[in-house]
Amino acid sequence: DSGVTQTPKHLITATGQRVTLRCSPRSGDLSVYWYQQSLDQGLQFLIQYYNGEERAKGNILERFSAQQFPDLHSELNLSSLELGDSALYFCASSVDPLGRGELNEQFFGPGTRLTVL
Amino acid sequence: AQKVTQAQTEISVVEKEDVTLDCVYETRDTTYYLFWYKQPPSGELVFLIRRNSFDEQNEISGRYSWNFQKSTSSFNFTITASQVVDSAVYFCALSEAGGAQKLVFGQGTRLTINP
Repeated sequence: DSGVTQTPKHLITATGQRVTLRCSPRSGDLSVYWYQQSLDQGLQFLIQYYNGEERAKGNILERFSAQQFPDLHSELNLSSLELGDSALYFCASSVDPLGRGELNEQFFGPGTRLTVL
Repeated sequence: AQKVTQAQTEISVVEKEDVTLDCVYETRDTTYYLFWYKQPPSGELVFLIRRNSFDEQNEISGRYSWNFQKSTSSFNFTITASQVVDSAVYFCALSEAGGAQKLVFGQGTRLTINP
């Protein structure tokens, strides 16, 4: 158990809908990362937050957005869902107390499997 | 741009054999980190090791060992005396230092250990 929790574990929805994925980082971790794992694209970085602020963006679609709250949990919002958004979405967290990346082992949650029908 | 290549898509061996998973990376950074993660059939990603670019010492942890060679931009992973529980997909990943610490993953190697 990595200490990172994600809910829900599974989500089945229809095209055009909107869903919210939730992540609670390990206690004390300030950085939260979101990744998408799909068969065709592999594991791809979406976005990073550090202590409530967006730190970096990867291949995140405009239909997707995220935020990190004062209690450090994070949510990934996916809207206008398409069939191709079906994937396993991982949240990861790392200590990185100074935000400089020296201590950046990322510990991953169990993932949320999203199925868009 | 950073890139990680795991040329072996699938490997299948018999239990107790040694197996090496290859990882080759590309980066222009002089300071970077390399990682290996394991994804068992249950789906979670399990952290195995982190190496920074200034530490080329090989590492051994039980039956696992890692060989980092900057000269060939490789960070290979060897499992000695493999066991069925080692069956998983293994990912090599690269991260720059400072700023955004996003992980750039290879495509993964599916390792099957047969009894």
